[in-house]
Amino acid sequence: NAGVTQTPKFRILKIGQSMTLQCAQDMNHNYMYWYRQDPGMGLKLIYYSVGAGITDKGEVPNGYNVSRSTTEDFPLRLELAAPSQTSVYFCASSSIDRGSYEQYFGPGTRLTVT
Amino acid sequence: DAKTTQPTSMDCAEGRAANLPCNHSTISGNEYVYWYRQIHSQGPQYIIHGLKNNETNEMASLIITEDRKSSTLILPHATLRDTAVYYCIVGLSGGFKTIFGAGTRLFVKA
Repeated sequence: NAGVTQTPKFRILKIGQSMTLQCAQDMNHNYMYWYRQDPGMGLKLIYYSVGAGITDKGEVPNGYNVSRSTTEDFPLRLELAAPSQTSVYFCASSSIDRGSYEQYFGPGTRLTVT
Repeated sequence: DAKTTQPTSMDCAEGRAANLPCNHSTISGNEYVYWYRQIHSQGPQYIIHGLKNNETNEMASLIITEDRKSSTLILPHATLRDTAVYYCIVGLSGGFKTIFGAGTRLFVKA
């Protein structure tokens, strides 16, 4: 099992550009999440999905979009990148097992917007 | 989901037990307590979780008070590789809208 994979590892964007951060998991998890982490801070939930075709907003969804066409993939789209979106982005997945869950995280994508 | 309060940082000597406290006084009856850690700039790593009873696995032990308003994560023999930020989270099964606070920065010293 590769677990949760994210691409790219690093990216520099110019203001106003757009890009898609890729996330995939091979654990057949129903739940997937996107977080961002600013320097020295905790993680903030951007969007989450409870299954293919179902997504919902987290704490900080503005400036981002997601889709979930398959169980395995959960891409995050940035439209019109802004310097405030400079952050490390983590994707995670989980399943419900015995009434509880554990989230498994990818290695992160480090994004700089200049 | 209930919020948690953790100390900003803690030190521990290598080989000694590290006891990391967490306050979650507004936890509801069906919310679990989860612990994760984040080493340097890697993705967070799940450690352990519990509902009411104390739990132990190969990484750590989790002690939850009887009123469930606080808990302690115990790393029985801390090593230098345990230096990390430790996050205490409470949430319902399914984990929607999980709130990761600033966590506790644990420094294990030789």
